[in-house]
Amino acid sequence: GAVVSQHPSRVICKSGTSVKIECRSLDFQATTMFWYRQFPKQSLMLMATSNEGSKATYEQGVEKDKFLINHASLTLSTLTVTSAHPEDSSFYICSASRTGGFNEQFFGPGTRLTVL
Amino acid sequence: AQKITQTQPGMFVQEKEAVTLDCTYDTSDPSYGLFWYKQPSSGEMIFLIYQGSYDQQNATEGRYSLNFQKARKSANLVISASQLGDSAMYFCAMREGNDYKLSFGAGTTVTVRA
Repeated sequence: GAVVSQHPSRVICKSGTSVKIECRSLDFQATTMFWYRQFPKQSLMLMATSNEGSKATYEQGVEKDKFLINHASLTLSTLTVTSAHPEDSSFYICSASRTGGFNEQFFGPGTRLTVL
Repeated sequence: AQKITQTQPGMFVQEKEAVTLDCTYDTSDPSYGLFWYKQPSSGEMIFLIYQGSYDQQNATEGRYSLNFQKARKSANLVISASQLGDSAMYFCAMREGNDYKLSFGAGTTVTVRA
């Protein structure tokens, strides 16, 4: 159990376009999901916390108008990178938390975004 | 201040030997949880082991064990009998209080040599 999927796994887009990444919890309900960004050989940087039915909480320095997050249901959160530029190229990983247990986060497989 | 510190950027280990990955943490919350994740080149984050701040025993999961020294605020991961498939980046992370948010360390890259 506790499987999180992400779609797409890879995306290449032109500069100026918007890209939507989906994060789904497949076998549990996730009231809270997290979006991370990771540059090569670096740690995960938390971008925002997504709560079902409410606005996302963004970390300091993350542009909320650039990275739109929607958590419309207990199993789906989306991250839209608007007007993408080459510097937005990165590995984006989502995670979902499930109540109980260790309060651990279950991670999706990640999405590699390349902006040309 | 850094909440999680991993001071070893990279390590080499011979197959079948044990390796210890260092992790120190900083928190004033008496209730916290410490996690170790493995990230192979494919990018997926694989949960390895968890230690709660109130746990009396050191956590173990198969070949993974956590050397929890609360007074020193350290939570080192020990991988015994290393295998080639253990080559990956390893992250230490902490959750504080009832917050689900995780703070990650910089990571340690482990390369297992045949």
